[in-house]
Order: sequence, then structure tokens, then C-alpha cells
Amino acid sequence: EAQVTQNPRYLITVTGKKLTVTCSQNMNHEYMSWYRQDPGLGLRQIYYSMNVEVTDKGDVPEGYKVSRKEKRNFPLILESPSPNQTSLYFCASSFVGERGQPQHFGDGTRLSIL
Amino acid sequence: AQSVSQHNHHVILSEAASLELGCNYSYGGTVNLFWYVQYPGQHLQLLLKYFSGDPLVKGIKGFEAEFIKSKFSFNLRKPSVQWSDTAEYFCAVNKGYGGSQGNLIFGKGTKLSVKP
Repeated sequence: EAQVTQNPRYLITVTGKKLTVTCSQNMNHEYMSWYRQDPGLGLRQIYYSMNVEVTDKGDVPEGYKVSRKEKRNFPLILESPSPNQTSLYFCASSFVGERGQPQHFGDGTRLSIL
Repeated sequence: AQSVSQHNHHVILSEAASLELGCNYSYGGTVNLFWYVQYPGQHLQLLLKYFSGDPLVKGIKGFEAEFIKSKFSFNLRKPSVQWSDTAEYFCAVNKGYGGSQGNLIFGKGTKLSVKP
């Protein structure tokens, strides 16, 4: 089954404790992206990657890191989480080859930073 | 900077009413336009998309959208809503030819509540 898998689905942690949210897709998509969703603000893009070893900042990259060492994986790293990073996070992926490629989304990761 | 505006934050309708959700974008060049739906507790799913051709696009579940280039708009419509359409709807846009995804910009979303 074609899917984007995020782990963990829920995490409560404390300020300053490094964490990684994993994202994996099985559709051989070149493009992957991370978003955060906050009430009243919609989805805002954190980072995206057009292919292996190619990453770029979205609208709200501060406090986050990403890496794309393999095509299927795109982990999101919070080196020193802070309470303002409490949010619902979505990973997405798509093909790049044609215009208008829709993105496929994971089920989301709800992070609470205390 | 590129932006997407959705005019309504929360829309409440009765079943069988008609729906139109507004979406305007600010970018003047070639764009790809999307509507996504998020049912309660679920991830986003694609409703429909436009990138070229007929400006009236039909999507899943009876939804359609019309691209009006002169108005920078891509409004979502459905003639008769059902209770199961209760969800949050997001308009999104990215730019370019050749499959460049780049930065996908989302609107802030419109919550639709349908009363049975």
C-alpha cells in the first residue's frame, strides 16, 4: 500500500531534549516536505527536499533541521525543542516530473513540548 | 511574497445546501492550484487540482473548482453538501513549470460544519 509513515504519532517531551520525527515513503517520490499545522494558521512549510542530498528552507525553518540521505526517508530534527514548537506536524511526498503533482500526506505527529 | 487567502474561517450549512469556498492567491506567474480536505483527526487528502486546460476542474465526492486567472481565484463548489462533508478545507498553490514543487503555500483553511 502506498503510504507516508510518520513516527511517533504522539510525543510529549521537555524543553531542550533533542528529538527526531521520522518520515518514510514507499512510492519512490523525489520530493518530500515537512509542515506544521497550528490553529488559525493553516499549514506552514518547514523544509522541503527535491531529491537526495537536496534540501531547502520553507517558511518557518527556525529551530528545525532535516536531512535526506536516502530517497525514502526525510527525518525532522529538533535539536533543542521549545514550547513554541508544540504543534501538529505532517510529512508529505510527491513526484517531481510533471506539473501539478499532488502531495501525499502522512497521518501526522502531535508534539507537545513542556 | 506569495500568499493564499481563504475568505471564510468557518462555514455552517444545512444538508443539501450549496457550498462555495473562496480562495485567492497573490502570485502572478504560472501556478498549480490544489484543494485539500482534512476530515476530523485525519491527514490531508487531495480533492482536486488545476495546472492547465479547462479552468473548471472536477474532483472527488462531487466537488468542483473554477480557476479564474483574471481574478487570481480558485473557488471550491459543491451543489449539495452532506453531513459527511464536515471537514477543514485548504487551498494551496505552488508555482512553475516542469514539475518543480518548491514551496507549496497553503491558505489558513476553512472549517465546514454541515448540520444534519
